Amino acid sequence: SQKIEQNSEALNIQEGKTATLTCNYTNYSPAYLQWYRQDPGRGPVFLLLIRENEKEKRKERLKVTFDTTLKQSLFHITASQPADSATYLCALDLAGYNKLIFGAGTRLAVHP
Amino acid sequence: EPEVTQTPSHQVTQMGQEVILRCVPISNHLYFYWYRQILGQKVEFLVSFYNNEISEKSEIFDDQFSVERPDGSNFTLKIRSTKLEDSAMYFCASSEAEKVGELFFGEGSRLTVL
Repeated sequence: SQKIEQNSEALNIQEGKTATLTCNYTNYSPAYLQWYRQDPGRGPVFLLLIRENEKEKRKERLKVTFDTTLKQSLFHITASQPADSATYLCALDLAGYNKLIFGAGTRLAVHP
Repeated sequence: EPEVTQTPSHQVTQMGQEVILRCVPISNHLYFYWYRQILGQKVEFLVSFYNNEISEKSEIFDDQFSVERPDGSNFTLKIRSTKLEDSAMYFCASSEAEKVGELFFGEGSRLTVL
């Protein structure tokens, strides 16, 4: 069956450390993978997009990797801050038409 | 910064009633979407819309749902006869391009069906 899985447990880290969030999928072949941030009661906010032929993408303190062999994406936040505390969603785009398949999200808590 | 706006922020309705959720996408965007999120669950795709037509729809988007762009600015989602299981947060989104697009989401309309 098709699945997209993110760490279901909340991730607690200390301010200044690097947060690493995982997105694994099975029986999908996405053309693109996107990461969004969602705060409680708010809409998702786009962070990064990576194509299937890209290994890594960076934007300021954010880095995403995409391994189509392992069927996994890793999302890193370096020098984390309490303001980074939120739920992070990965989303697969199979054909590039923004018909996104979202994971359940991982809640990140950054402690001072 | 341009944003997607949605109204109402919260609507409570009785089962069987019709509901219309409204969205004003970002003005130069051409592609529009509705997603929904049942409390505690994943965000799910409902429908995409371009050039006054539905481009894609999911299995959730059955005959009780419809979308419309009645004028140059609004994009609406109508649920004809609401069911208890329609209770969810409904997110409108828009993008500049259909392909490889960053989606801009609104803040959502919470629908509660009693």
